[in-house]
Amino acid sequence: NAGVTQTPKFRILKIGQSMTLQCTQDMNHNYMYWYRQDPGMGLKLIYYSVGAGITDKGEVPNGYNVSRSTTEDFPLRLELAAPSQTSVYFCASSRPKNIQYFGAGTRLSVL
Amino acid sequence: AQSVTQPDIHITVSEGASLELRCNYSYGATPYLFWYVQSPGQGLQLLLKYFSGDTLVQGIKGFEAEFKRSQSSFNLRKPSVHWSDAAEYFCAVGLTRGGSQGNLIFGKGTKLSVKP
Repeated sequence: NAGVTQTPKFRILKIGQSMTLQCTQDMNHNYMYWYRQDPGMGLKLIYYSVGAGITDKGEVPNGYNVSRSTTEDFPLRLELAAPSQTSVYFCASSRPKNIQYFGAGTRLSVL
Repeated sequence: AQSVTQPDIHITVSEGASLELRCNYSYGATPYLFWYVQSPGQGLQLLLKYFSGDTLVQGIKGFEAEFKRSQSSFNLRKPSVHWSDAAEYFCAVGLTRGGSQGNLIFGKGTKLSVKP
């Protein structure tokens, strides 16, 4: 019962570097999401996808890109990392009009 | 705009004591309401949800929550807290039944500490 799997769990980046946060789910969910969680701020939606080939911006999309080539995978790309992107990133998935299931998170520091 | 307010940033209770975590929402229509729990270093786990019907909902781990439309509240309760309940709790509002299509709005969370 893997559910939603995120890799890596931790990462330190230098300013200006780029990286991809991986997210995969084995529940055949159409809907997938990326959130960031900053201390004392709750979760903010970055991007979401309602199916393969379809993505849309959430509340805080600047500095990020996503793609959805398969149902299972929803990677999040950071280009030109900035200290403001230091956060914990959560991926989630769901069926249409159903509960969201979350991964364990990726803790990212940009120094 | 829709919003969720959790007025208490940090609460400390004694083990065995009762617990109530507050959540207020702002939304023009009937909301779909959720409580999630996040243990240190972990992802979010759904505790319970309210979609419609009985306003008192039961969840996992002995938690319950009551939807009060007149107060725009969805407070989480537990009659007797266990040390393992120490975690951060998030209230969320969904604009569709399951909060899909990217419209799950979270409160800022309440951190619960449990003292022996």
